[in-house]
Amino acid sequence: DGGITQSPKYLFRKEGQNVTLSCEQNLNHDAMYWYRQDPGQGLRLIYYSQIVNDFQKGDIAEGYSVSREKKESFPLTVTSAQKNPTAFYLCASGGGPDRKYGYTFGSGTRLTVV
Amino acid sequence: AQSVTQPDIHITVSEGASLELRCNYSYGATPYLFWYVQSPGQGLQLLLKYFSGDTLVQGIKGFEAEFKRSQSSFNLRKPSVHWSDAAEYFCAVGAGSSNTGKLIFGQGTTLQVKP
Repeated sequence: DGGITQSPKYLFRKEGQNVTLSCEQNLNHDAMYWYRQDPGQGLRLIYYSQIVNDFQKGDIAEGYSVSREKKESFPLTVTSAQKNPTAFYLCASGGGPDRKYGYTFGSGTRLTVV
Repeated sequence: AQSVTQPDIHITVSEGASLELRCNYSYGATPYLFWYVQSPGQGLQLLLKYFSGDTLVQGIKGFEAEFKRSQSSFNLRKPSVHWSDAAEYFCAVGAGSSNTGKLIFGQGTTLQVKP
């Protein structure tokens, strides 16, 4: 079955460490997105990519980095510059020119600073 | 700028009662509209979508939504709520030009179901 896989489900980061969250899709979608979710704040867009080798900053890109070397993969790195990284991170694909179909979401990664 | 407002942050209904979750949007053209549901610790699941045609759309799990252009609304309804419907619900609008495809999400409404 087609879908989006996020890993790991839980991730713990020490102060000053970079960590990378994985997002893989087999839906053949061109566009992929990363959101951060905090209690009471809805979904906030971190980065998005509409095509391989291209990506754009979202509303809260500071302290994060991404790459899009393959259509299927859109990993997110939370760098040490992100001062408050504890949150639930969601990856999605879809949208693009066929935005009427909406997004498909992964099941999320919960990142905690220890 | 495009925006989505969900006026109710938290709603509590009794099991078996009817439900309506409100969503208002701001968008200049004909919008693409979506409702998603999120159970705790999970991703978002698409409930239903509207992009043209009949303004009353049916979705999964017995939900429906009605697009009202004059009121810029896309409210979600269910005739009889089940305890398993307790979750967070997000309304979204497809925004921007056709080659961006970004969705703009509301802040979400948390639904609590009383036995």
